[in-house]
Amino acid sequence: DAGITQSPRHKVTETGTPVTLRCHQTENHRYMYWYRQDPGHGLRLIHYSYGVKDTDKGEVSDGYSVSRSKTEDFLLTLESATSSQTSVYFCAIALDRNTEAFFGQGTRLTVV
Amino acid sequence: GENVEQHPSTLSVQEGDSAVIKCTYSDSASNYFPWYKQELGKRPQLIIDIRSNVGEKKDQRIAVTLNKTAKHFSLHITETQPEDSAVYFCAARRNNNDMRFGAGTRLTVKP
Repeated sequence: DAGITQSPRHKVTETGTPVTLRCHQTENHRYMYWYRQDPGHGLRLIHYSYGVKDTDKGEVSDGYSVSRSKTEDFLLTLESATSSQTSVYFCAIALDRNTEAFFGQGTRLTVV
Repeated sequence: GENVEQHPSTLSVQEGDSAVIKCTYSDSASNYFPWYKQELGKRPQLIIDIRSNVGEKKDQRIAVTLNKTAKHFSLHITETQPEDSAVYFCAARRNNNDMRFGAGTRLTVKP
């Protein structure tokens, strides 16, 4: 398995609280992605990064922000969690634009 | 942005039969098309991919075809086995590295 770790693996939080999910890689891959997975919707892109401090929005970016201050870490922040953000979040990494993306184990987030 | 549609959403076949899953994409600038398999409770894992300069690729029982003109690509699994049962996702990646997924196909292979 690629060296990619997500933390935490599970989290329950209350509506309105901020939440940060971490994706850490040891592969020195340039590209990193955050997806959410919900039944019937597959994997939807939230944000992605193509280098340190270089990020862009995906298809479901509202309510989320990201930061990448160093190559190995890509943080996803829910500024004020809502119940609609209850989901499984996957981080993925890729060496370049034409190679395989490897996924982390996922983080199950429940907003109550 | 890119839009990827995947069909069917569920597919049930008898062991030994073939399975075909189809995807269409909207952005002609997309140039990389991977297929992922996800077993229950696990992470998605790549099973095969194809780039826009290739029309077909095979890996044992799995093959992918790409029609750039029509903007669609398909996954073919031959001689299906019960362990092929999983959810399969197609994806399309553009030059800016934005990668979008289809909604997934739940494949069930009945022994």
